[in-house]
Amino acid sequence: SAVISQKPSRDICQRGTSLTIQCQVDSQVTMMFWYRQQPGQSLTLIATANQGSEATYESGFVIDKFPISRPNLTFSTLTVSNMSPEDSSIYLCSVASRKSNTEAFFGQGTRLTVV
Amino acid sequence: AQRVTQPEKLLSVFKGAPVELKCNYSYSGSPELFWYVQYSRQRLQLLLRHISRESIKGFTADLNKGETSFHLKKPFAQEEDSAMYYCALSVFGNQFYFGTGTSLTVIP
Repeated sequence: SAVISQKPSRDICQRGTSLTIQCQVDSQVTMMFWYRQQPGQSLTLIATANQGSEATYESGFVIDKFPISRPNLTFSTLTVSNMSPEDSSIYLCSVASRKSNTEAFFGQGTRLTVV
Repeated sequence: AQRVTQPEKLLSVFKGAPVELKCNYSYSGSPELFWYVQYSRQRLQLLLRHISRESIKGFTADLNKGETSFHLKKPFAQEEDSAMYYCALSVFGNQFYFGTGTSLTVIP
């Protein structure tokens, strides 16, 4: 299994500011995924981050709002830009298992509150 | 478009009683279905997947393509089964679409 560390685990931010969430994996992985879980909602895939190329965003998510970096095979960041209260969510980093491409491992999540 | 529906947000059962968590999906391709579980203060983790046809912690789930369902079942619920359960659909091998989750409480 992969061990995923996310930082920060939680934060309270002022509207209009940006927050960068870091995701560190203990092994090299090809694809990393970022999810959002709004209060009372399901996990929603934001984007897929591949090393060496631009992230692929799902419908409803854009790079200007959620820029992603993937500088190497063990690390990625997600920035939530120009935050508003509607961005208050849990943000989760995920990687696919190397053993079984269909199993996903998740970080503990970043609980973001925008005031 | 792919979609996963879990109709029950909350489910309570007594210890030793059978439990069934419902999941329905819509997907035009050949689906891969999973159940993920999140225990209190722990991260989300895989419980089981349909292709393995396995029983994990006494839980089983059968993919019914005719009814487009993947219900999770356990004949005798235990207190330690209390958790949040998410049904998920995988496309392209590693992108997941999740249901809204069912919070299961097993009453002692």
